[in-house]
Amino acid sequence: EVQLVESGGGLVQPGGSLRLSCAASGFTVSSTYMSWVRQAPGKGLEWVSFLYTGGNTFYADSVKGRFTISRDISKNTLSLQMNSLRAEDTAVYYCAGTTTNPFYFGHWGQGALVTVSS
Amino acid sequence: QSALTQPASVSGSPGQSITISCTGTSSDIGTYKLVSWYQQHPGKAPKLIIYETTNRPSGVSNRFSGSRSGNTASLSISGLQAEDEADYYCCSYAVSPTWVFGGGTKVTVL
Repeated sequence: EVQLVESGGGLVQPGGSLRLSCAASGFTVSSTYMSWVRQAPGKGLEWVSFLYTGGNTFYADSVKGRFTISRDISKNTLSLQMNSLRAEDTAVYYCAGTTTNPFYFGHWGQGALVTVSS
Repeated sequence: QSALTQPASVSGSPGQSITISCTGTSSDIGTYKLVSWYQQHPGKAPKLIIYETTNRPSGVSNRFSGSRSGNTASLSISGLQAEDEADYYCCSYAVSPTWVFGGGTKVTVL
């Protein structure tokens, strides 16, 4: 069974950093198209970042230069390093993955809440 | 990349059929024709219900169907049931690559 479990969320001050992790089971992150999608409180979904199986990375303009997506093949985990955090980054962050192609988000984790506030 | 446009809410009685529209542009839906739909119940993670505009994942009810015409995609739900009450989001693959979501539609079963 495919499962994604996020961790690392919490409260951080504006300008601070936080690292989210996503532990995968049922598939390997190295052969899966992986993404981060976020949802601000009471708002809709927003794509944040994408990691191709080949290693190429892509970011939404709103986080480019501040967030970094990566994977640890030995631990079968996906990570999102978030720096220079702003109040508008407050959201539930979902890890999502698809084994077949990169055009949609087939499997989702339960989400990790990140709150940026002083 | 601007968000796709969805109606804020749609409602229907049990057993009825409803349709949710999702309007994009020639830079996303009109060119790539790669629309996906997600169902989200309160406090839960989104769930994929339609991919590549018209395909249903294994295990998703055949009461859900997707279509597209030009820059607009649609999700139809037939035989509406109480469990269908949720938020629904469309999403399109677009250039760069990027993925753009709609603002979401709240479906209410009367």
